[in-house]
Amino acid sequence: KNEVEQSPQNLTAQEGEFITINCSYSVGISALHWLQQHPGGGIVSLFMLSSGKKKHGRLIATINIQEKHSSLHITASHPRDSAVYICAVRYGGSQGNLIFGKGTKLSVKP
Amino acid sequence: NAGVTQTPKFQVLKTGQSMTLQCAQDMNHEYMSWYRQDPGMGLRLIHYSVGAGITDQGEVPNGYNVSRSTTEDFPLRLLSAAPSQTSVYFCASSLAGGFTSSGNTIYFGEGSWLTVV
Repeated sequence: KNEVEQSPQNLTAQEGEFITINCSYSVGISALHWLQQHPGGGIVSLFMLSSGKKKHGRLIATINIQEKHSSLHITASHPRDSAVYICAVRYGGSQGNLIFGKGTKLSVKP
Repeated sequence: NAGVTQTPKFQVLKTGQSMTLQCAQDMNHEYMSWYRQDPGMGLRLIHYSVGAGITDQGEVPNGYNVSRSTTEDFPLRLLSAAPSQTSVYFCASSLAGGFTSSGNTIYFGEGSWLTVV
């Protein structure tokens, strides 16, 4: 069975700290998504990656295809970054269906 | 441009009742899907559609039915609600499903909290 593993499960940081959330998957993929779920429940897409690195503001996402691993980094973290961050992968031939990790709950303290 | 509109946001059902969760998108997306989110688990795919008139089952389809008569709408029907269907449901859409595209962002609805008693 295709698996997506995220670590850590929970993360508490102080404002200003550099945050790293990890995602590992088991077989070759066509794309990997990083999503953010707000405390109210809404889910927004942060990045879609198939290779390399993407940056948007204080968020950086990287993927290593050979190692089947992706990381989401948050620089200069802020309490408004507190959310659940979800990794999801799209396997080749899946017609776009995604397999989701269980999420990493991030809490940034002021 | 409203994105993905999902209704209702909250619903309480009695066991055995039926209901429909509505999902509509105004972005002309081909791919639409329904997920359920349960505590301690990742989102799981219930049903999906790659275009009007085409639907298929996901990981957890039992007890649910879908149809896709138009590009915009993708309702999810609970045929006879059971307590095991208590969950948070999300509808999502994207331009296309099966290939990698820089514009292939996934858009989610706000979620529907369903309780079956």
